Amino acid sequence: QQQVKQSPQSLIVQKGGISIINCAYENTAFDYFPWYQQFPGKGPALLIAIRPDVSEKKEGRFTISFNKSAKQFSLHIMDSQPGDSATYFCAASIGYSGAGSYQLTFGKGTKLSVIP
Amino acid sequence: DAGVTQSPTHLIKTRGQQVTLRCSPKSGHDTVSWYQQALGQGPQFIFQYYEEEERQRGNFPDRFSGHQFPNYSSELNVNALLLGDSALYLCASSLWPDMNTEAFFGQGTRLTVV
Repeated sequence: QQQVKQSPQSLIVQKGGISIINCAYENTAFDYFPWYQQFPGKGPALLIAIRPDVSEKKEGRFTISFNKSAKQFSLHIMDSQPGDSATYFCAASIGYSGAGSYQLTFGKGTKLSVIP
Repeated sequence: DAGVTQSPTHLIKTRGQQVTLRCSPKSGHDTVSWYQQALGQGPQFIFQYYEEEERQRGNFPDRFSGHQFPNYSSELNVNALLLGDSALYLCASSLWPDMNTEAFFGQGTRLTVV
């Protein structure tokens, strides 16, 4: 059972455009929603993360929008650059409360290509 | 400050063999988690170690086992390798108990089973 569904599978955006990747989750106990960026041959790197008590978080060109009632969250990359070309993964986990129960559940990934 | 380091980077094994992968966490981190990433898929949680004990385990068979040493480094062992075990194995380190924040991943070990 896939608990985090990510779309689209691939995305092509013109340089300067906005890239939007969407994720939906099923487990309402999830309380931490990070996005990871992965380049070929590298491990995933944390890009930005959000807790369910806020609806939006912005860091530079990257913004997470979170809709708790719809159980959806999305990543927006503004002014997309060729250097942003990578695979992006959304994830979710339980454990912010420090209860000790923790594992990241990842989506299947979105391969982003930003063309000049 | 070295990040998460994994060794080896690539490995080729024969079906039925056993393999050991190694991970050194980021300096100051005490918790290590292991993930399996099949080609074209997102990472899947295998297990997590803290204080040399397995704390959480994902949906993986007992052929997958691990160990954490007093210096927080960790090993992942896979016995009786299957072709389907071919994947990128990722190690992530973090600080207990707020394991969710700033979990750093290594570059992974690419395991090919032939």
